[in-house]
Amino acid sequence: EAQVTQNPRYLITVTGKKLTVTCSQNMNHEYMSWYRQDPGLGLRQIYYSMNVEVTDKGDVPEGYKVSRKEKRNFPLILESPSPNQTSLYFCASTTVGKGGAKEQYFGPGTRLTVT
Amino acid sequence: DQQVKQNSPSLSVQEGRISILNCDYTNSMFDYFLWYKKYPAEGPTFLISISSIKDKNEDGRFTVFLNKSAKHLSLHIVPSQPGDSAVYFCAASSIGAQKLVFGQGTRLTINP
Repeated sequence: EAQVTQNPRYLITVTGKKLTVTCSQNMNHEYMSWYRQDPGLGLRQIYYSMNVEVTDKGDVPEGYKVSRKEKRNFPLILESPSPNQTSLYFCASTTVGKGGAKEQYFGPGTRLTVT
Repeated sequence: DQQVKQNSPSLSVQEGRISILNCDYTNSMFDYFLWYKKYPAEGPTFLISISSIKDKNEDGRFTVFLNKSAKHLSLHIVPSQPGDSAVYFCAASSIGAQKLVFGQGTRLTINP
């Protein structure tokens, strides 16, 4: 079954304690990205990766890091989490669909609370 | 600067009637538009898309209309069913860019 998996699904942590949210896809997609969803703001892209070892900033990259050492995995790293990073995070994997659509497959989400 | 806007945070429709969700965009370089549906505790799932060379795309109960001159698109669901209750996100992309730009989302509630 084609899927994007994220772990953990829920996480409560304290300010400054480094954490990593893992993301894995089994569709052999080259493009992967991370989004955060906040009320009234929709989904905003944090970082994306066009391929292995190729990553770039999205719209809200401050306070985040990513790595892409393998095609299937794209972890999101918060070196020193702060309360304003409390959010719902989604990993996504992309294929180019019919007519060139950027149809993205999303993981189930990780709800992060930073106290 | 919100390039994709969904100005209605919520919409309530009676079962069997038509649901119309609206989306406006400002970037004339956008050439592809998508709608995603999101249930609680799940990630968004792709619903339907439309290329800028078309003005309508239909898939079963779902139809997306694009008005390029007005920079406006809409999603019509006919007839609406209780299982359609979800948050709907409009998204757009431009030529050569893999990135999707999302709207804020509209919460659709279908009442029995």
